Amino acid sequence: QQQVRQSPQSLTVWEGETAILNCSYEDSTFDYFPWYWQFPRESPALLIAIRPVSNKKEDGRFTIFFNKREKKLSLHITDSQPGDSATYFCAASADNYAQGLTFGLGTRVSVFP
Amino acid sequence: DMKVTQMPRYLIKRMGENVLLECGQDMSHETMYWYRQDPGLGLQLIYISYDVDSNSEGDIPKGYRVSRKKREHFSLILDSAKTNQTSVYFCASGSKQFFGPGTRLTVL
Repeated sequence: QQQVRQSPQSLTVWEGETAILNCSYEDSTFDYFPWYWQFPRESPALLIAIRPVSNKKEDGRFTIFFNKREKKLSLHITDSQPGDSATYFCAASADNYAQGLTFGLGTRVSVFP
Repeated sequence: DMKVTQMPRYLIKRMGENVLLECGQDMSHETMYWYRQDPGLGLQLIYISYDVDSNSEGDIPKGYRVSRKKREHFSLILDSAKTNQTSVYFCASGSKQFFGPGTRLTVL
């Protein structure tokens, strides 16, 4: 059973639009939710992360919205740029990283000019 | 400049051969991780190391073992590699999990 689910699998937006990526999780003990992005033939890189004490985390054009009650979060990419085209992974960890990360299967985002 | 290194970057082995994948970090991180990434399965955690000689199984440890004799080095070992271990292997370091560049392993 997939502990972290992402939707959609792929997403296409035009330059300047807002891309919305969704993520949900099963395990109530998860207490750290990072998003990674990965470009083809490269390794994943930490983009932005949130802890359940907050329901929103912003970093430039990237914002995480978090709903603890529904066990859902979303990543919003505003003013999308072609350089944002990548696969985005939602991940979760329990016990302050001690258990490692459980990753979703990713959302492939394509931004067209 | 923080760095996670992995060697080799590419490796082709025959089924039944032994495989050693190496990872290094220069940030004195206590915790290091090994993941594998496969199409359709995403990234899966193989092993965690909390420090020298303090290792713990992740979600898919079967067929793998690890060694951490120095804080800056973490090795993944496949004894008698199998074709289904063909994958891209990533090492990560630290609580924020900085990822290395990966090793693309093919087992024929």
